[in-house]
Amino acid sequence: QKEVEQDPGPLSVPEGAIVSLNCTYSNSAFQYFMWYRQYSRKGPELLMYTYSSGNKEDGRFTAQVDKSSKYISLFIRDSQPSDSATYLCAAYSGGYQKVTFGTGTKLQVIP
Amino acid sequence: GAVVSQHPSRVICKSGTSVKIECRSLDFQATTMFWYRQFPKQSLMLMATSNEGSKATYEQGVEKDKFLINHASLTLSTLTVTSAHPEDSSFYICSARETPPGETQYFGPGTRLLVL
Repeated sequence: QKEVEQDPGPLSVPEGAIVSLNCTYSNSAFQYFMWYRQYSRKGPELLMYTYSSGNKEDGRFTAQVDKSSKYISLFIRDSQPSDSATYLCAAYSGGYQKVTFGTGTKLQVIP
Repeated sequence: GAVVSQHPSRVICKSGTSVKIECRSLDFQATTMFWYRQFPKQSLMLMATSNEGSKATYEQGVEKDKFLINHASLTLSTLTVTSAHPEDSSFYICSARETPPGETQYFGPGTRLLVL
């Protein structure tokens, strides 16, 4: 079992829809959770970073962490064609430990 | 946000030659840098973790003599693909974590290597 599981998709939604991207994890030591966006042939870009459980909002993006169920979510409101990319969730226990990445979910927002 | 640069962005070389890729953290110091490899439509594969001033730690299955990593300063790490072969063609991405151990990891734009 992978430490961070993510549905690879692809996920296709119409423009303006609310997108929900999800990951589960198994390592209880994870304290820090990130979402990255990766466009084709580019390096991943940090979108959201959260510590422990709770919600964090940044513009159209909301990251949610539920440590009790080991569930990580990213919501995108009013999705745009420019949001079409692969979204990677990541988790990390802190200190000098490695960050563990999900396999990525490919999102396509159709105009 | 923090910026990580990579150079070159794209390189084409002949089989048997060595290629060096540079990774720099531009506006922060990075004790730890990471090198990833990514094949088309696949996720990131961690190759090695590089700590400034010490030897890199390689992941299982990654040849340390093939992929030489040097982390000479808090802002620069290099990956040298020695005696490159066509199967080494891939997208190489570096990542850096702030010093002291920060919680976030920032990625470079990646280097596309094509070995003919």
